[in-house]
Amino acid sequence: AQSVAQPEDQVNVAEGNPLTVKCTYSVSGNPYLFWYVQYPNRGLQFLLKYITGDNLVKGSYGFEAEFNKSQTSFHLKKPSALVSDSALYFCAVVRSGSARQLTFGSGTQLTVLP
Amino acid sequence: NAGVTQTPKFRILKIGQSMTLQCAQDMNHNYMYWYRQDPGMGLKLIYYSVGAGITDKGEVPNGYNVSRSTTEDFPLRLELAAPSQTSVYFCASSYSPPPGTDTQYFGPGTRLTVL
Repeated sequence: AQSVAQPEDQVNVAEGNPLTVKCTYSVSGNPYLFWYVQYPNRGLQFLLKYITGDNLVKGSYGFEAEFNKSQTSFHLKKPSALVSDSALYFCAVVRSGSARQLTFGSGTQLTVLP
Repeated sequence: NAGVTQTPKFRILKIGQSMTLQCAQDMNHNYMYWYRQDPGMGLKLIYYSVGAGITDKGEVPNGYNVSRSTTEDFPLRLELAAPSQTSVYFCASSYSPPPGTDTQYFGPGTRLTVL
């Protein structure tokens, strides 16, 4: 079985400050990890993924995420938040070899305050 | 490219009615997926397809049916609507299964209410 936990339903940060959205995972074997963003009334958009290699992954819109195997975490980060980053963020995992089914976390609502 | 399109955007059904949610993609993707998103929850996979004529159940398939007669289209059928099926439904597609070199591309969603 595989699962993802996003411990914070809501994260508030001031514009210009760094932001972190947390994600931890549980999977047997090697994980493939994803971050998606959802703007109101829209489908999910891919931000970045970790497959293998460098633990720091850079993605779209200045976001990055750090894979930490010992802590089973894949936190999303951005050095300087924008108001336009306000959205719902989902972490997802798939076990290497299962190949088809993504398991999503429950989502974290990020609000960037001007 | 239009990407992944879904119709309708909104629908209200009465208990026991049936309907089909339409999904189409113009990216020639082999893999297609149907998810439902309940308030405060992540997406749950209903059904997926690895190519025309091939479908398989996901995590929450009960009460739904799918077909895949062409590469482009992947309709989701609700036969006897129940209030528990009130949700937002997303269709997605990808060229290869995750993680692959591709990712899943999502449609805008269909908001369904069953009263």
